[in-house]
Amino acid sequence: AQSVTQPDIHITVSEGASLELRCNYSYGATPYLFWYVQSPGQGLQLLLKYFSGDTLVQGIKGFEAEFKRSQSSFNLRKPSVHWSDAAEYFCAVGARSNDYKLSFGAGTTVTVRA
Amino acid sequence: DAGVIQSPRHEVTEMGQEVTLRCKPISGHNSLFWYRQTMMRGLELLIYFNNNVPIDDSGMPEDRFSAKMPNASFSTLKIQPSEPRDSAVYFCASSPPPSGGLSNEQFFGPGTRLTVL
Repeated sequence: AQSVTQPDIHITVSEGASLELRCNYSYGATPYLFWYVQSPGQGLQLLLKYFSGDTLVQGIKGFEAEFKRSQSSFNLRKPSVHWSDAAEYFCAVGARSNDYKLSFGAGTTVTVRA
Repeated sequence: DAGVIQSPRHEVTEMGQEVTLRCKPISGHNSLFWYRQTMMRGLELLIYFNNNVPIDDSGMPEDRFSAKMPNASFSTLKIQPSEPRDSAVYFCASSPPPSGGLSNEQFFGPGTRLTVL
């Protein structure tokens, strides 16, 4: 079964600074990979996804992520964060053999300071 | 599109009472998921429907939990009787049919925050 690890529980970043959130997955083949964002009191919103092809994926709100097979990673980046980026971020992995089931990481909470 | 609609947004009830959570998936989506989110366990998949049929209910905690999908536009998650440990945020998500042989992402509703006293 697939699994996801988000090593950082909480990250604090200054507004305008760059942000990188780490995600490592465990799966025997090429997975489906997703990043979701959850603002307080809201549901999860998809930021971006990787299914195949170009390993650098562009998403909404200026986010991008890079799939690195050799490192089993799918880290999320943003060059310059805005105060509105304060939220919880979830990495998720899906298996191609069982493609409805997503395994979510524990999440990383991002705090943005002025 | 209105997105996935869940009701109620908040529910406070007393232990032993029956609780019914409701979900309207996005029109055209044929997969529906119920998740539970807690601090201790994170996001857990409870049950998955495809074309209104329950495919995987292995995440349903126990017999007190039941879910139905009588048609393509409505699903319920019922807890009877409820217990304080059921307190959590319950999310409904839907997904369109796969396109190009690839699975699609899940679209989440705003969630129902359940508190059982």
